[in-house]
Amino acid sequence: AQSVTQLGSHVSVSEGALVLLRCNYSSSVPPYLFWYVQYPNQGLQLLLKYTSAATLVKGINGFEAEFKKSETSFHLTKPSAHMSDAAEYFCAVRPSGGYQKVTFGIGTKLQVIP
Amino acid sequence: DGGITQSPKYLFRKEGQNVTLSCEQNLNHDAMYWYRQDPGQGLRLIYYSQIVNDFQKGDIAEGYSVSREKKESFPLTVTSAQKNPTAFYLCASSTSDPYQETQYFGPGTRLLVL
Repeated sequence: AQSVTQLGSHVSVSEGALVLLRCNYSSSVPPYLFWYVQYPNQGLQLLLKYTSAATLVKGINGFEAEFKKSETSFHLTKPSAHMSDAAEYFCAVRPSGGYQKVTFGIGTKLQVIP
Repeated sequence: DGGITQSPKYLFRKEGQNVTLSCEQNLNHDAMYWYRQDPGQGLRLIYYSQIVNDFQKGDIAEGYSVSREKKESFPLTVTSAQKNPTAFYLCASSTSDPYQETQYFGPGTRLLVL
């Protein structure tokens, strides 16, 4: 079985400051990992994904995440927050190989303060 | 443009009523999914289908039913047996390639009980 823990259901940053959203996972086999973003009353949009290639993954809108096996982490970062980054962010995990269910974290709401 | 459409955007259900949420995709994806989203609980899998005329229960299938008669369509019926149906419902689809599987989401349907 796999699981995802997102530390901090709400995170506030000032505009221009570093964004760091934390995600830790557990998986009995090598995982695939995803970050999605959701704006109010909309569906989820894929930001980036890790599928066992490079451990540093770059996504859309200037976001990136680093897979750290030793820490079982996949934290999402962005060097400088924009007002448009205010949204809810979901980390997700699924075991690699064959059809496997995706497990989502509970989400982190990012507030950007002008 | 390829994508996933969900309708209606808002749906109201009366006591004892069955309602059906529509999900259509033109991405030529084999697999389709239904999730329920409640505040602070992330996404929970209701049903999924990997191929036409076949579907499987997810984690919270009780009170819901689905059909998959066409590749493009995966409607979800919320039956009167679902006692707490108020939630945001998200449909997703993906390819059947387990090594490339990324789920793409529709815009969602918000179900409210009158």
